[in-house]
Amino acid sequence: NAGVIQTPRHKVTGKGQEATLWCEPISGHSAVFWYRQTIVQGLEFLTYFRNQAPIDDSGMPKERFSAQMPNQSHSTLKIQSTQPQDSAVYLCASGSTNSDYTFGSGTRLLVI
Amino acid sequence: AQSVTQPDARVTVSEGASLQLRCKYSYSATPYLFWYVQYPRQGLQLLLKYYSGDPVVQGVNGFEAEFSKSNSSFHLRKASVHWSDSAVYFCAVQGTGSKLSFGKGAKLTVSP
Repeated sequence: NAGVIQTPRHKVTGKGQEATLWCEPISGHSAVFWYRQTIVQGLEFLTYFRNQAPIDDSGMPKERFSAQMPNQSHSTLKIQSTQPQDSAVYLCASGSTNSDYTFGSGTRLLVI
Repeated sequence: AQSVTQPDARVTVSEGASLQLRCKYSYSATPYLFWYVQYPRQGLQLLLKYYSGDPVVQGVNGFEAEFSKSNSSFHLRKASVHWSDSAVYFCAVQGTGSKLSFGKGAKLTVSP
């Protein structure tokens, strides 16, 4: 069990460029969550999927951020026209009814 | 809405001393409560959780926490800390839906 895999571990983008972050959940887990972590705001919920369907995206910024889960083996978080304030660690977690959530190591995004 | 307050952002204890990290939650019903630990450049690891029953729950590495409904608290304790316990500790609440709401975290430093 390799755990939740997030790629890339680090990403540097220029202001205005697009960034795509990947998450591979643990096989068999039906739920996938995305969180953002910054020093100032702490851990913020962004969105989550259950059985690949979007369930709650209440934490997603309305513009520029989107998330998808095209199949049960991966989810993506896309940020268009990145801004310096998007710099953060983006954490993905997966879980199921009969198991605890497992977090990945995160993607550290730096927008310069 | 659910929320968590961790009043102590930084805690320093001597190796071998006891530890308590405080957590207060806000939720209208009995929530699910969690403590996670985060080591540098890693994701969150579950220490322990409370769903129901015995208010004192045991976790990994000698950690335990006590749920108090009357105080809306879920404090984390350890009888004797080790230098390897130095990390950031997050309390989290899961109320309606499946998402977790986290406190701001407590950075623990264990001094020799």
